[in-house]
Amino acid sequence: NAGVTQTPKFQVLKTGQSMTLQCAQDMNHEYMSWYRQDPGMGLRLIHYSVGAGITDQGEVPNGYNVSRSTTEDFPLRLLSAAPSQTSVYFCASSHRTGGTSEAFFGQGTRLTVV
Amino acid sequence: DAKTTQPNSMESNEEEPVHLPCNHSTISGTDYIHWYRQLPSQGPEYVIHGLTSNVNNRMASLAIAEDRKSSTLILHRATLRDAAVYYCILRTGGATNKLIFGTGTLLAVQP
Repeated sequence: NAGVTQTPKFQVLKTGQSMTLQCAQDMNHEYMSWYRQDPGMGLRLIHYSVGAGITDQGEVPNGYNVSRSTTEDFPLRLLSAAPSQTSVYFCASSHRTGGTSEAFFGQGTRLTVV
Repeated sequence: DAKTTQPNSMESNEEEPVHLPCNHSTISGTDYIHWYRQLPSQGPEYVIHGLTSNVNNRMASLAIAEDRKSSTLILHRATLRDAAVYYCILRTGGATNKLIFGTGTLLAVQP
């Protein structure tokens, strides 16, 4: 079982470039989410989705877009990268069963914007 | 979203029990108490969760106060592999199911 797979693991972007961080899960989870983690800090929620075709903003959504066309995939798009978006990005998924579900996290994408 | 408060850091000796506290005075009736931990350079991993009653699993125990305004994660015998940041999170039982992380407790385990 692959779990939650994030690609790429590392990425360097120039300011103003765009890119998509990929996240895929094979557990048929309805709920998926993206977080960023800055050095020495906890995770902050960027966007989340409770099912295909449904997305919503988290705590820090500015500068990021998401879509959810399938249950398995939840890509995160940076339209115009800025140095402030240098961070480690984590994708997570879980069943949508009230508050009882265990969330599974990917190994992260380390993004540097220069 | 209801907030949690945890000590920034704690220390333990190997093979001794560890009690990690968490305060969540604004918890609502539908909030589940979740604990996750994050090992260095890894994504968070689930540890345990509960609603009202104390819970045990192979990794840890969760003790929940009767008024649910605080909880304690108990590692029965700390090992060096338990050194991590531990996050106490309230996960709503409503439609959104959001997991909102705080700053967590950095646990150091001394040999």
